[in-house]
Amino acid sequence: QITLKESGPTLVTPTQTLTLTCTFSGFSLTTSGVGVNWIRQPPGKALEWLALIYWDDDKRYSPSLKSRLTIAKDTSKNQVVLAMTKMDPVDTATYYCAHEDNSSSSGVDVWGPGTTVTVYS
Amino acid sequence: QSILTQPPSVSEAPRQRVAISCSGSSSNVGNNAVNWYRQFPGKAPKLVIFYNDLLPSGVSDRFSGSKSGTSAFLAISGIQSEDEAYYYCAAWDDIVNGWVFGGGTRLTVL
Repeated sequence: QITLKESGPTLVTPTQTLTLTCTFSGFSLTTSGVGVNWIRQPPGKALEWLALIYWDDDKRYSPSLKSRLTIAKDTSKNQVVLAMTKMDPVDTATYYCAHEDNSSSSGVDVWGPGTTVTVYS
Repeated sequence: QSILTQPPSVSEAPRQRVAISCSGSSSNVGNNAVNWYRQFPGKAPKLVIFYNDLLPSGVSDRFSGSKSGTSAFLAISGIQSEDEAYYYCAAWDDIVNGWVFGGGTRLTVL
């Protein structure tokens, strides 16, 4: 059974760097085709894809946020970390990490419960 | 402003059928598979349709998906009050080089 869980600060101040950790089980990020995404959702708004890291360390970023994002994996700990610099109140959102497996063509299939981050000025 | 376009809301009476549309372009829906997610308030999205029309294990067969050109559709038959939720479509975008989502559709069961 695949599970993911996000962790990190619930409150950050503007201009700070946000660091979130996704801890997962039930799959390995060394398996061909596997990836972990970060997706966020501001209160009352739609889902927004942020970043993706694949088993081979290939990384993809949302073009509008690319300059502020860094994604990395630690396969020994079964973790993926997302860093977002220069936080602003508009970045207040629930942040999700989610599994994907290209070999099964299921796309983004299993999501973590999410972690809420408030940028408070 | 989401890249994929969905109606903000749809409503239908219990036991009826409803369809939700998702309109994109050749770089996303037109050229790649579409997934659909259901989301209850305060909860994470859950996959209900993948690869345009495939049903994940454990998802009710009242859900079905289809795609034609740059538009995709999610249909729910025999609507129940438990189906009241937000529904999002998603697809890989070859220009963004990442996933794009629709703005979400709120389903109300009358």
